[in-house]
Amino acid sequence: DTGVSQNPRHKITKRGQNVTFRCDPISEHNRLYWYRQTLGQGPEFLTYFQNEAQLEKSRLLSDRFSAERPKGSFSTLEIQRTEQGDSAMYLCASSLAGTSGPEQYFGPGTRLTVT
Amino acid sequence: GQQVMQIPQYQHVQEGEDFTTYCNSSTTLSNIQWYKQRPGGHPVFLIQLVKSGEVKKQKRLTFQFGEAKKNSSLHITATQTTDVGTYYCVRRSQGNLIFGKGTKLSVKP
Repeated sequence: DTGVSQNPRHKITKRGQNVTFRCDPISEHNRLYWYRQTLGQGPEFLTYFQNEAQLEKSRLLSDRFSAERPKGSFSTLEIQRTEQGDSAMYLCASSLAGTSGPEQYFGPGTRLTVT
Repeated sequence: GQQVMQIPQYQHVQEGEDFTTYCNSSTTLSNIQWYKQRPGGHPVFLIQLVKSGEVKKQKRLTFQFGEAKKNSSLHITATQTTDVGTYYCVRRSQGNLIFGKGTKLSVKP
């Protein structure tokens, strides 16, 4: 499968714990995005990278959230001191900047439940 | 970035009926994209519209971009149960996408 992959697919954690999610984009894609989706809502942008540089961060991304893409390939999203309001689906997407194709390819997501 | 407003929020149709969802913006859009998300699935890109008055077709799906580039629509002819899902019109802002609430389509067989 050469699509975007995310791990884990599901994560249940207790409030106050730290969690880390991983995203592996389509191999030749240089852009990688993180979104958060809650029930009944569309995905909300969190941050994106071009290669290893983090180019934009949403105001939604509080200081408890940090994302990295150290080698310009896979990315991790860490949430520290989780809160119940962090419960959501975390989606990763990738794209190839500079081509005529505008689409972002989404992964299956990581569903986080904070108890 | 400002979301685009989409109506209706929900639509229930009988299989074989047509379906249309509308998207409106208070500001001129440089482009509009449409994505579909099946229940339990992730968003999948359908199309991007860029030109004023543009109309594009994909089999039973017809996408339109308004002359003023402030509105867009997606029309599905003769819906099938495989059309079930949430359809989002999406504004692209620099690198990222701004999704609205979408229109959730259910199809009764």
